[in-house]
Amino acid sequence: NAGVMQNPRHLVRRRGQEARLRCSPMKGHSHVYWYRQLPEEGLKFMVYLQKENIIDESGMPKERFSAEFPKEGPSILRIQQVVRGDSAAYFCASSPLNRVSEEQYFGPGTRLTVT
Amino acid sequence: QKEVEQNSGPLSVPEGAIASLNCTYSDRGSQSFFWYRQYSGKSPELIMFIYSNGDKEDGRFTAQLNKASQYVSLLIRDSQPSDSATYLCAFPSNDYKLSFGAGTTVTVRA
Repeated sequence: NAGVMQNPRHLVRRRGQEARLRCSPMKGHSHVYWYRQLPEEGLKFMVYLQKENIIDESGMPKERFSAEFPKEGPSILRIQQVVRGDSAAYFCASSPLNRVSEEQYFGPGTRLTVT
Repeated sequence: QKEVEQNSGPLSVPEGAIASLNCTYSDRGSQSFFWYRQYSGKSPELIMFIYSNGDKEDGRFTAQLNKASQYVSLLIRDSQPSDSATYLCAFPSNDYKLSFGAGTTVTVRA
């Protein structure tokens, strides 16, 4: 049973470009969470999605950031017009139920570097 | 006040010693707590969770929870070089959202 998959693992973008981060949850998991980890900081919740629905995006910056989890395919975190402050590790987690428990599994992360 | 605060690191311990990590939280309603281990450049890995006051032991790890004091700790006994990592405490701030501390970096000296 494959774990949570994220790609790319490393992404380099110039200021002003777009970044697209993908997350495929574990098989049988329909709940996806995105977290961001800035250097020397803990993980910060960004958004919680179920298939075709954004449930809570209270941790997402109001501008330039968007997320989706389509009926088919991976969840996408999209950052438009990236700035240096967006450089961070972005982790996706998935769970089979909509409750935080020992069943929330993290993917390997995407390390975004903005030059 | 931050939701979760961890004792500042880095923490350096000799091999075989006990590493003690502390975490305080602000939400009195929190019912469960998690400790994650994160190796440099890797994703967080859940190593312990605790729901009840008292101690919970799993191998060389012991989690201690005191809800009255809003305090949770992690002890690593017989520390090994492979325990060198950053340890993050976390609790659910609602049904699905985890709030993490900034982490404590532990280095075990051989």
